[in-house]
Amino acid sequence: EDQVTQSPEALRLQEGESSSLNCSYTVSGLRGLFWYRQDPGKGPEFLFTLYSAGEEKEKERLKATLTKKESFLHITAPKPEDSATYLCAVQKPGNQGGKLIFGQGTELSVKP
Amino acid sequence: DGGITQSPKYLFRKEGQNVTLSCEQNLNHDAMYWYRQDPGQGLRLIYYSQIVNDFQKGDIAEGYSVSREKKESFPLTVTSAQKNPTAFYLCASSRGYARKWAEQFFGPGTRLTVL
Repeated sequence: EDQVTQSPEALRLQEGESSSLNCSYTVSGLRGLFWYRQDPGKGPEFLFTLYSAGEEKEKERLKATLTKKESFLHITAPKPEDSATYLCAVQKPGNQGGKLIFGQGTELSVKP
Repeated sequence: DGGITQSPKYLFRKEGQNVTLSCEQNLNHDAMYWYRQDPGQGLRLIYYSQIVNDFQKGDIAEGYSVSREKKESFPLTVTSAQKNPTAFYLCASSRGYARKWAEQFFGPGTRLTVL
């Protein structure tokens, strides 16, 4: 069964304390892996797309990496404004209309 | 500014009523999607449409209906048959479903509460 699992469910960091969020998937024939940021009461905001193992993308303090089984979202020297829920999703293989399978999310809290 | 709009932001429904949630996009995207988000659960796909006048059921379509008469619009109706409709509803769109076009962009959401 196609599945996406994110860990940890929640992560509390001090400002400046770097860490990583994990997204593991069991989808054969991965077509794309997506990272989103979601603030409370708002729609998810697109961050990155990764297509193949070894690929990396960066944006400000965030860096996303991809292996054949999982993806990591590295947060370097986080600030309180990085507090949000981070969602990972993978595109289903084959002709399934671009359907995405979402993980449960990791709720990140960064304290000053 | 290009983007996706959803209305209303908050919606209250009495039991037994049908309600319609609006979703409009001006990104010229072909594909549109409706998701439901509940606390502690990931996004679950309700319906999706790859092209005008065509749509498919997602994983939790029971009690919902959609239409896609225009490229820009994909309204969702929550019918009285939906047993537990209280949730946060999100609309999304993408250029298409081909590998490099599948990035989905989301609207601000509608929070539906059944009274």
